[in-house]
This record gives sequence, structure tokens and C-alpha cells, in this order.
Amino acid sequence: EAAVTQSPRNKVAVTGGKVTLSCNQTNNHNNMYWYRQDTGHGLRLIHYSYGAGSTEKGDIPDGYKASRPSQENFSLILELATPSQTSVYFCASGDAFDRGNTEVFFGKGTRLTVV
Amino acid sequence: AQKVTQTQTSISVMEKTTVTMDCVYETQDSSYFLFWYKQTASGEIVFLIRQDSYKKENATVGHYSLNFQKPKSSIGLIITATQIEDSAVYFCAMSPLDSNYQLIWGSGTKLIIKP
Repeated sequence: EAAVTQSPRNKVAVTGGKVTLSCNQTNNHNNMYWYRQDTGHGLRLIHYSYGAGSTEKGDIPDGYKASRPSQENFSLILELATPSQTSVYFCASGDAFDRGNTEVFFGKGTRLTVV
Repeated sequence: AQKVTQTQTSISVMEKTTVTMDCVYETQDSSYFLFWYKQTASGEIVFLIRQDSYKKENATVGHYSLNFQKPKSSIGLIITATQIEDSAVYFCAMSPLDSNYQLIWGSGTKLIIKP
């Protein structure tokens, strides 16, 4: 069974502090994604990766960094957290849809509150 | 520009009836993949069904089916014999073949099933 695990599931951070959200997948997928979800905006792509060592900017990368140290792990880093980054963050993994991979698999989400 | 639009923000239907949720997309690519996902009340995002643009036959999985109208750039989700547990937010997404498997998301439709 494909699995994407996010930690922590809930986080309260202080403004200006550093926050790291972690994601681990056991699917052996090349591609991993970080999204944020806010009411009225659906899912918005922050950063993504094609494999270990690679990170790419998504649609809303400002204020975020990403790190992919291995095939399994993909982190999202907020160096200086701000209240506007309060949101629910989802990690996902997937692979080539035209080569037998059906879908993108999602983690259960991390609720981040910046106070 | 590539875009996915879900114009229905909320739909309410009686249990055991059939509901259709609309989704239109914009892409210049000739090949693409279309997806429907469901987000439950707990926040979990679950894959439901997929349609590949080159396939003429509408996809069907369980009580989910698609109404794919390629000339209209439309991919409707049909749920038959709805159940209370179908209450959720439904997202439509598109992945153009040359997008390196990025997903472009609609803003979601909230489905409420009344007993």
C-alpha cells in the first residue's frame, strides 16, 4: 500500500521562527510535492522535486525552501515564519502517469499555525 | 494558460440520488490526464478516478463515472446512488503530458448528501 507520512501533524510556531515540515514516502516515487491549502484557494503548489537532490519552485514559493536529501524524504522549510503562512500543508508523491502510475498519493496534512 | 475551473462551490442532494459535478479545463497540450479527488471531513485527500485524454471511453470505478467531452474541454464526475459518506469536497485536476506530471487543481465543489 502506497504511503506518504507527514510530521508533525500539528504545529504552532512563533513569528520569525524556523519551521521544518517533514515528509516520507515508501512508494519509491521520483516526484514529490508540497502544497498548501487555504479556504477558497484549493491546493497551491509550493515546491516539488523530481528526485534526490532536486528541488523546483512551484506557483507560490516565496518564503519557503525545500530539501530532498533522499528518494524517500522531502522537507519544507520556513526560515522566518509569518502569520500569513498559517495553513494546512500537504505532501504528495507520484510518478509518470503515462508509464503505469495511476495517481498522486497524499499525506494526511500538517496544520501549521504561526502566532 | 493552463487552468482548471469548478464553478459549483456547493451542491446538496438527497441520499440515493445521482449527482453530477462539473469541471472544465484549459490546456494547449494534445495529451493530458484528468483526475478527480475527494477530500473527506477529516482532511484526507483520496484519489477517485482518472481519464486519459486519448481514451474515448468514459472511465468508471464503482459508483463513480466520468462524462468526458473533449471538444468542450469538460470532465464531469457522476456519482450514482449517493450515500451519506459521499459528503465531501471534490477536486478536479489536470496534468498535461509535458508538464512533468504536475497537477493543476480546481478550487473544489462541496457535496452535501441529505438523508
